Amino acid sequence: NAGVTQTPKFRILKIGQSMTLQCTQDMNHNYMYWYRQDPGMGLKLIYYSVGAGITDKGEVPNGYNVSRSTTEDFPLRLELAAPSQTSVYFCASSYPNSFSGRHNEQFFGPGTRLTVL
Amino acid sequence: AQRVTQPEKLLSVFKGAPVELKCNYSYSGSPELFWYVQYSRQRLQLLLRHISRESIKGFTADLNKGETSFHLKKPFAQEEDSAMYYCALSFGNKLVFGAGTILRVKS
Repeated sequence: NAGVTQTPKFRILKIGQSMTLQCTQDMNHNYMYWYRQDPGMGLKLIYYSVGAGITDKGEVPNGYNVSRSTTEDFPLRLELAAPSQTSVYFCASSYPNSFSGRHNEQFFGPGTRLTVL
Repeated sequence: AQRVTQPEKLLSVFKGAPVELKCNYSYSGSPELFWYVQYSRQRLQLLLRHISRESIKGFTADLNKGETSFHLKKPFAQEEDSAMYYCALSFGNKLVFGAGTILRVKS
């Protein structure tokens, strides 16, 4: 199993450009997440999905969009890139919470380092 | 609101010294807490969770509801423990992460 894969690994964008960060998982996980990691700020949740066709906003969704047409894929779209979106982006996936509500381990991808100039 | 606080951005210790990475949380419900670790050039991965009450790589963490803390401890640090450590709080089907603490173990 490849686990969670992300492409590209690195990207430099100009202000106003758009791009899609790809995320794929082969563990048949229902839940998928997008985070951004900024120095001194930890990981902030951008969007998440509990299954195909279902997405919801996280803590910092502005400037981003997502879709979830299949269980495996959860792309993150930046429409008008801004310098504030310079960050490292992580995708993660997990099984749903257990019947008792226990949160299952999240598995992370290797990250995409994005710079907006 | 749900919040996780890791007060130290960087913790530097010598090999063989005890380690304590601090984590405090704010949550009105019954908390479920985790420690995730990111070693250099590796993916972020789960280190341990409070419900397991187990020791992983010599690390333990006890949930103290009175002090709303979930500090990560290890009696004798090793150089391979150098990494970024994140404390996280489960909130529904999401995790709220702290800002992270870089642990540097010096030889």
